[in-house]
Amino acid sequence: QSALTQPASVSGSPGQSITISCTGTSSDVGGYNYVSWYQQHPGKAPKLLIYGVSNRPSGVSNRFSGSKSDNMASLTISGLQAEDEGDYYCTSYISSGTQVFGSGTKVTVL
Amino acid sequence: EVQLVESGGGLIQPGGSLRLSCAASGFTVSTNYMSWVRQTPGKGLEWVSFIYPDGTIYYADSVKGRFSVSWDNSKNTLYLQMNSLRAEDTAVYYCARSTYTYAYESWGQGSLVTVSS
Repeated sequence: QSALTQPASVSGSPGQSITISCTGTSSDVGGYNYVSWYQQHPGKAPKLLIYGVSNRPSGVSNRFSGSKSDNMASLTISGLQAEDEGDYYCTSYISSGTQVFGSGTKVTVL
Repeated sequence: EVQLVESGGGLIQPGGSLRLSCAASGFTVSTNYMSWVRQTPGKGLEWVSFIYPDGTIYYADSVKGRFSVSWDNSKNTLYLQMNSLRAEDTAVYYCARSTYTYAYESWGQGSLVTVSS
């Protein structure tokens, strides 16, 4: 159950778009459409942004979008805002109820 | 409104046991997908356990055989019994209401468990 690989940090200027990658294998990310993404601010619980690769829960801004190609999933944040600063995690189903998180990415708004 | 409130964390010596509680409101624990996730201080998230509505439970290899999940329908509360605790189990433990797509849609505030002598 090795963690999925995410870049340690990504930064962008307000208004720009950034993309966070989440790389796994054919046994996790590539094998199932059960990738989800979370945003976490310091001292707070994570918040669900994307589920099922590309679906947004009610109430989540449409500036957040998800996609997947082969063994890599991606989260794109468009129109970057100061409030988007924080840590972002992906997660994927593996098999038999087990799941794995990504290593996490720190997003900085310049 | 869905709400999850964890409790039961604290300082425990290596080898000791602790039980975390996750009191739910706004939905019924026993008929939903539920999860336990932990976060080591200053580090990332780690999946701990996933509970299907039919009662099937899966555990991460790192806690298998030491941790167990149960629930009390009358209290609408989920529990995480942690035995043979190790220093590496030190973390904030979250319970989460999950979905059939294995997403964690609602989270509690977390409960800190510190394993140290």
